[in-house]
Order: sequence, then structure tokens, then C-alpha cells
Amino acid sequence: EPEVTQTPSHQVTQMGQEVILRCVPISNHLYFYWYRQILGQKVEFLVSFYNNEISEKSEIFDDQFSVERPDGSNFTLKIRSTKLEDSAMYFCASSERDLSTEAFFGQGTRLTVV
Amino acid sequence: GIQVEQSPPDLILQEGANSTLRCNFSDSVNNLQWFHQNPWGQLINLFYIPSGTKQNGRLSATTVATERYSLLYISSSQTTDSGVYFCAAFGAAGNKLTFGGGTRVLVKP
Repeated sequence: EPEVTQTPSHQVTQMGQEVILRCVPISNHLYFYWYRQILGQKVEFLVSFYNNEISEKSEIFDDQFSVERPDGSNFTLKIRSTKLEDSAMYFCASSERDLSTEAFFGQGTRLTVV
Repeated sequence: GIQVEQSPPDLILQEGANSTLRCNFSDSVNNLQWFHQNPWGQLINLFYIPSGTKQNGRLSATTVATERYSLLYISSSQTTDSGVYFCAAFGAAGNKLTFGGGTRVLVKP
């Protein structure tokens, strides 16, 4: 069964460093998303991406964050100058069309900023 | 944007018991999904159910879109059902999938 895959599963980084979280969405899907979940809290929307551009972003997604689809299969989230409060589980998701169709989530990348 | 509320926040079950989890949403929806977050943090798709009723093994779900709620039923619960159950909704006037706060389920042997 097709699935969204994320790498790495766990990343530890020092405060102030840049990290890139990687995702391979399901191959025929056109819409891509990043969400995050701080430990014990809700899953929060960060950004949606379609047709090689951001279609929606939350107030959390400030200049520290960027997304890119560098080739036909990968979708990345870059966090510049990480802060302690960026520690969270980051989920990538994709859907065939917009969110009226089912969204599938990857297994998550647990980011720990020390 | 759409508001999504889940109840109860916590549920402790004896193995073999049945339970109902509720998800209320504040607006018309084009998408309503239920997820199970396992102890490793993975979000597992359970149901895509903007309306109607679906069943998958011991789990079933019903969404009554006109009354703005969805129910997830767990029958004959097993310890492997433990975890957090989230519903998430995409409102008719929205642009993102909004998650509820989750129901934390613990099934005791």
C-alpha cells in the first residue's frame, strides 16, 4: 500500500543550527502538508503546498521555516536557526487533490533541539 | 476557522469493553478523518468519513454532517487499542485540516 515516508525518524540538533526534514509523498498526490505536534499537545497545521508554491500557511510558519519540492519525489521542511521550542514531532502529509480528499500522514520526525 | 472538539479527553477501559468517542465540529465539512496515534507517535488513518457510516473490523464510525458531529465506536477493546484518537476536519470554508484535542484511551488487561 502506498505510504508517505519521512526521514530521519529522530533528529537531535543544537540550538541555532539549521535542520532539513525530508518527506516522500504518495506518488500520484498533488497536495502536500507539514504539521507539527509538541509533546502532549494538538497536531497543528504549518503549511500546505501545491503546484510548487505555498497555498496556505499558519501563523507558526514564519520566516524561520521554508518548504521546497527539490525534485519530483521529495518534499522538505527547512528550519533555520532552531530554538528549544521547535522541539516537536513533525508530520508530512499528502492528498490526491485538496483536503476534501483523504490525507495520509507519514510516521513523523521527532526533532529535539538541545 | 472550524473548531473541533473531542470528548472525553481520557478514557480507561477494561479489555473487552465497548466505547464511543465523540467529535463535534463547528462548521460544514468536506472531510472528516479519524486517526489513531500509537505509542511511537505515528498517526494511523482509521476512517475518511465526511458523512455516513463505515466499519473496519472492531472499529466503526458515523458522521452526521447536518448535526456537526462524528462518533468512533470501539468494540471488544484490546490493549493494542490504547493510544490517542484524533479526529480532524476540513471545513467547507476552510483551507486546512484542523485536529481536535484527542481522546487518550488506555485499555487495561
